[in-house]
Amino acid sequence: KAGVTQTPRYLIKTRGQQVTLSCSPISGHRSVSWYQQTPGQGLQFLFEYFSETQRNKGNFPGRFSGRQFSNSRSEMNVSTLELGDSALYLCASSLTNWGYEQYFGPGTRLTVT
Amino acid sequence: GNSVTQMEGPVTLSEEAFLTINCTYTATGYPSLFWYVQYPGEGLQLLLKATKADDKGSNKGFEATYRKETTSFHLEKGSVQVSDSAVYFCALSDISNQAGTALIFGKGTTLSVSS
Repeated sequence: KAGVTQTPRYLIKTRGQQVTLSCSPISGHRSVSWYQQTPGQGLQFLFEYFSETQRNKGNFPGRFSGRQFSNSRSEMNVSTLELGDSALYLCASSLTNWGYEQYFGPGTRLTVT
Repeated sequence: GNSVTQMEGPVTLSEEAFLTINCTYTATGYPSLFWYVQYPGEGLQLLLKATKADDKGSNKGFEATYRKETTSFHLEKGSVQVSDSAVYFCALSDISNQAGTALIFGKGTTLSVSS
């Protein structure tokens, strides 16, 4: 089975712009979660989607949003980018949202200048 | 709230040395516990997991036992290799409360193995 894929792998944006990141889960997986990884804050949970519904949300401002499509693919959007949004954004998929292990993609490295 | 504390690195070992990376957790419910590994420039790979007390997770020579009495999930390997050099993350998932399946991670421990 193909693993979790994320596009693009690298992205450079300017402060104030917005960005959309994409994630395709492992075939058959219906739950997609997003995490932000930074040197200072480590790995932090952003949100989780299951069957096109947001089931759980971390402690991030409303500039961070996401959605899931009927084929379980997910996108996350960050509006009005700030320098502090520079991070590795990781997507993870799992079979359901009931405690199954999560499998991670390679991440999208976002740099905000 | 739920949290994970793991030993600060870096941990520097010679090849074939014994490895222990300590991890303790705080959880209000009955969490599942995980170890993930991250190689340079890559995402996280699930290394092993345990879903209830006294469970032992194992994979690729790594082991960790879910100890409820000490709220710990220490990672061990009897003989490390240079290829084990990476960052190791301890994590928990507690579906019994509002946290859902969100993984809560420790800060990560960098392991460097020299030949």
